[in-house]
Amino acid sequence: AQKVTQAQTEISVVEKEDVTLDCVYETRDTTYYLFWYKQPPSGELVFLIRRNSFDEQNEISGRYSWNFQKSTSSFNFTITASQVVDSAVYFCALSEETSYDKVIFGPGTSLSVIP
Amino acid sequence: DSGVTQTPKHLITATGQRVTLRCSPRSGDLSVYWYQQSLDQGLQFLIHYYNGEERAKGNILERFSAQQFPDLHSELNLSSLELGDSALYFCASTPRGGEKNTGELFFGEGSRLTVL
Repeated sequence: AQKVTQAQTEISVVEKEDVTLDCVYETRDTTYYLFWYKQPPSGELVFLIRRNSFDEQNEISGRYSWNFQKSTSSFNFTITASQVVDSAVYFCALSEETSYDKVIFGPGTSLSVIP
Repeated sequence: DSGVTQTPKHLITATGQRVTLRCSPRSGDLSVYWYQQSLDQGLQFLIHYYNGEERAKGNILERFSAQQFPDLHSELNLSSLELGDSALYFCASTPRGGEKNTGELFFGEGSRLTVL
């Protein structure tokens, strides 16, 4: 069965600090997709990134970077030089080849960036 | 703006009542997903429709039902409401569906249901 764990429930950092959000997943499939979504205080969920199981290259997009490691079943998300606007709940999610119809979300990590 | 429209944005009702939540997917998207977000359960997958057909069910109660119409909008019906049904209900759409759904989900702003 697929499962996504985000052990960090809440994180607080001071503006300009770097912060890493952890995501550990479980799946029996060899083909799967991992996602990160952001939910700002306004409530709407916003897609950030998709990564397939065959692409372990790390990705950087501006201040955001993602580290995918199949050996540890982790897909961690780092925000560099955090800003107040980064304050949100961040969700890691997984969909498997055998059940693409389902996208399963982790419990989320609430990030507060303090000015 | 994701392009996914959900109505109503807020709804307050009483236990035992029935409500209908409506979702219009992004133009051209064939898949509609429904999720329930509550404080204790997080984001729970309820059901997925692709081009009018039910494709997958998650933790959806028997008191809940959904359908997707020929114009691709979807409705989530919640009946015999209980206090614990109070939650934020999200609809999401994606162009793909079924075995080829590898794309990201585009979420609406959600419908906040409060059951008193």
